[in-house]
Amino acid sequence: NAGVTQTPKFRVLKTGQSMTLLCAQDMNHEYMYWYRQDPGMGLRLIHYSVGEGTTAKGEVPDGYNVSRLKKQNFLLGLESAAPSQTSVYFCASSANRGVLSPLHFGNGTRLTVT
Amino acid sequence: AQTVTQSQPEMSVQEAETVTLSCTYDTSENNYYLFWYKQPPSRQMILVIRQEAYKQQNATENRFSVNFQKAAKSFSLKISDSQLGDTAMYFCAFMTPVNYGGATNKLIFGTGTLLAVQP
Repeated sequence: NAGVTQTPKFRVLKTGQSMTLLCAQDMNHEYMYWYRQDPGMGLRLIHYSVGEGTTAKGEVPDGYNVSRLKKQNFLLGLESAAPSQTSVYFCASSANRGVLSPLHFGNGTRLTVT
Repeated sequence: AQTVTQSQPEMSVQEAETVTLSCTYDTSENNYYLFWYKQPPSRQMILVIRQEAYKQQNATENRFSVNFQKAAKSFSLKISDSQLGDTAMYFCAFMTPVNYGGATNKLIFGTGTLLAVQP
């Protein structure tokens, strides 16, 4: 059982380049989330999805786009990368929005923008 | 705005001893949930323990327990019999249930406490 899988694990981009981070979950979860983790900042929610075909903004959505075309996948896109987007990105999923439904996290993607 | 504060950036404890990590939060809500997550060097986020605000009894999971003081808005984590494998970053997190359609419960994280267990 793979759980939540993020690809790639590491990436280096130049300013202005674009890329897509892929999150895949095999638990048939409805809810999926993208967080970023920065030193001294904890984890902050970028975007989330409450089901296939739906997305919504989190705390820090600017500069990112997401898509949830298939229930098991949640894509995070950077159209024009900036150094401020250097961070570790975590994807998570949960079965539903109930607070007793725990979040399952992926292992993160370390992105560096030079 | 809801905030979570972890005032100890780093802590150290000897193996087999007990350590307490502090967390305070600010909210005007009465119904909410608190969590402690562990992030070892592997970067995996692991749920350690959860506390429902309406429950007076402190949550316990094996060597991990919490001291939940609702009036003081305090939620500390106690690790007993510390083990080398407990070395990790620990995050306190807060969630208010959302009851309107289309929204989801969102976790608000503290900045973390890096715990080092010394042999």
